[in-house]
Amino acid sequence: AQSVSQHNHHVILSEAASLELGCNYSYGGTVNLFWYVQYPGQHLQLLLKYFSGDPLVKGIKGFEAEFIKSKFSFNLRKPSVQWSDTAEYFCAVTSPDKLIFGTGTRLQVFP
Amino acid sequence: GAVVSQHPSWVICKSGTSVKIECRSLDFQATTMFWYRQFPKQSLMLMATSNEGSKATYEQGVEKDKFLINHASLTLSTLTVTSAHPEDSSFYICSAPRDWTNSPLHFGNGTRLTVT
Repeated sequence: AQSVSQHNHHVILSEAASLELGCNYSYGGTVNLFWYVQYPGQHLQLLLKYFSGDPLVKGIKGFEAEFIKSKFSFNLRKPSVQWSDTAEYFCAVTSPDKLIFGTGTRLQVFP
Repeated sequence: GAVVSQHPSWVICKSGTSVKIECRSLDFQATTMFWYRQFPKQSLMLMATSNEGSKATYEQGVEKDKFLINHASLTLSTLTVTSAHPEDSSFYICSAPRDWTNSPLHFGNGTRLTVT
């Protein structure tokens, strides 16, 4: 069965540190890839998405992700995190006509 | 503004009763809607795909008779938790794609169900 793996379950960083969250998927066909964020007490919001074209995708709030097809990966990055980035981050993949989520990564940023 | 409306936001019910959760697409037609469940501190898990005009497609391990899904129109899908038990307490979220090629899913704000 198709699956999405997020290797980092809990990440703790200080402000201004760089962030990279891993995401790997198992589906071999054409995929659409997403990163969602859920701030405490709020609903899911889309950070960025990849459908086709440039594999380096820029999203909101300074986030970016790179699709590496050969590695079945779509890692999320941010060069300098802020306290307000504290949230739960979910990677998701369409596989092929439904959206499958990773287990999520809890990010805590300390001032 | 919100493009997918989910109601109610939270509900408390007694064991054995049934609860209906509605998911509406506000400014577009959705032939497909998805129902997810989120356990505390865990990821969303896809429960079922709701298809307008036909039966829902359930994921493995999800009880069809317990989680009844009805996609009555192009803007409304409902999830009914029948004979609810405390272990059904969870956060349920619906989502709908405006269209797959150009936009991702739009999510409802979720429903917090507590079964006492």
